Order: sequence, then C-alpha cells, then structure tokens
Amino acid sequence: NAGVTQTPKFRVLKTGQSMTLLCAQDMNHEYMYWYRQDPGMGLRLIHYSVGEGTTAKGEVPDGYNVSRLKKQNFLLGLESAAPSQTSVYFCASNEQGPTYQPQHFGDGTRLSIL
Amino acid sequence: KNEVEQSPQNLTAQEGEFITINCSYSVGISALHWLQQHPGGGIVSLFMLSSGKKKHGRLIATINIQEKHSSLHITASHPRDSAVYICAVPDSGGGADGLTFGKGTHLIIQP
Repeated sequence: NAGVTQTPKFRVLKTGQSMTLLCAQDMNHEYMYWYRQDPGMGLRLIHYSVGEGTTAKGEVPDGYNVSRLKKQNFLLGLESAAPSQTSVYFCASNEQGPTYQPQHFGDGTRLSIL
Repeated sequence: KNEVEQSPQNLTAQEGEFITINCSYSVGISALHWLQQHPGGGIVSLFMLSSGKKKHGRLIATINIQEKHSSLHITASHPRDSAVYICAVPDSGGGADGLTFGKGTHLIIQP
C-alpha cells in the first residue's frame, strides 16, 4: 500500500524558477493538506483541500498556488521560487478532517532555493 | 488561532527510563494528535484523543480537556524510540482546517 506519495523527494532550484510538487494518495481521502517544516518551527499549513476541485488558504499561503483537479492528487506550485521557500514540504490526507481522524503523511520533499 | 507549547524541547535519557513529554494549548479543542517524526524525516500519527487515556504498546497518551494539557509517556524506553514527538491540535477547534503543531520534543534514548 503506497498511502501518500510525494514527488520529487529532493530538488534544488535557482531563485525565480518555478516548479510543482506532486502529492498522490491512494486511500480515496477527501481532505488533503500541504505543510512546510522549517528549523525551530512547527509544521505550518500552506493550503488545503476538502475535496476534488476545492482549495483553501492556510497559515502561510503567500508565494504558493495549489490545484486539486483529481481527488487523488494535490499539487503545490511555486511560480517564482525565493530563498525563503527553502524548506521541507509535507503532504497529508485524511477522510474527515483533523478533528475526526489522524492525518496520513507523505515522506516529505526537501527543497532548496539558491 | 490555537497556541501549542511542548516541553521539554530536548530530552536525553537512558534505555529503560520512563519518559514524559508535555503539551499545552490555549483554546479548547475536541481532539489532540500526537505524532512521531523519525530521524529519516517521515511523520506518523501515534494517537488522536479527545478525553482520558489511550495506550498502544509502550506508549500512553493522556489528555485533560479542562486544563488544556496532554502528556505522552513512554515506558521502558528503547533507543529505537529516539525521534521527534509532535503535539498538534485542529486549527479552528473543528472543521476542515489543518493542524496547528507544537515545535516538537527531540528525544534521544541512549543504550
């Protein structure tokens, strides 16, 4: 069982470049989330989705865009990467939201912006 | 927005010791999560609890809703328990928002 799969696992970008991080889940979950993790800080919510075709902003959405065209996929885009976006990015999913169920996490994407 | 505080930030103990990690939050909630982040970076959910106590193997989680406090205990600790333990609560006390996380407790168990 794959669970939540993130691609790529590592990436180095130059300032101003764009890229898309892919999150795929095979559990038919409605809710999907993107978090970033920085040293000395807890994970912070970037964007989330409560179902196919829906997206919403989290705590730190600036500089990122997301799309949920298919239920199983949640894409995180950086249009013009900045060094402040150097971080480890985690995708998570669950069926009924964080109040009712644990979240299932991917293994993370380590992104460096030079 | 809920504020989540964990203590201690770092903890080093000897194999076999009883471990306690604490979590407090500022706004009433309906559920609290404990997660484990492995040295390799992966995150797994350990517990979700809304009252009382839950036990899984050597791990025990308790919560006191009135005092806005939860604890994670590890009995008979082992080097393989070395990890970062993270407490998290739903962002808005309910609904579809994600989680608000504590900064984590870095636990090292020495043989």
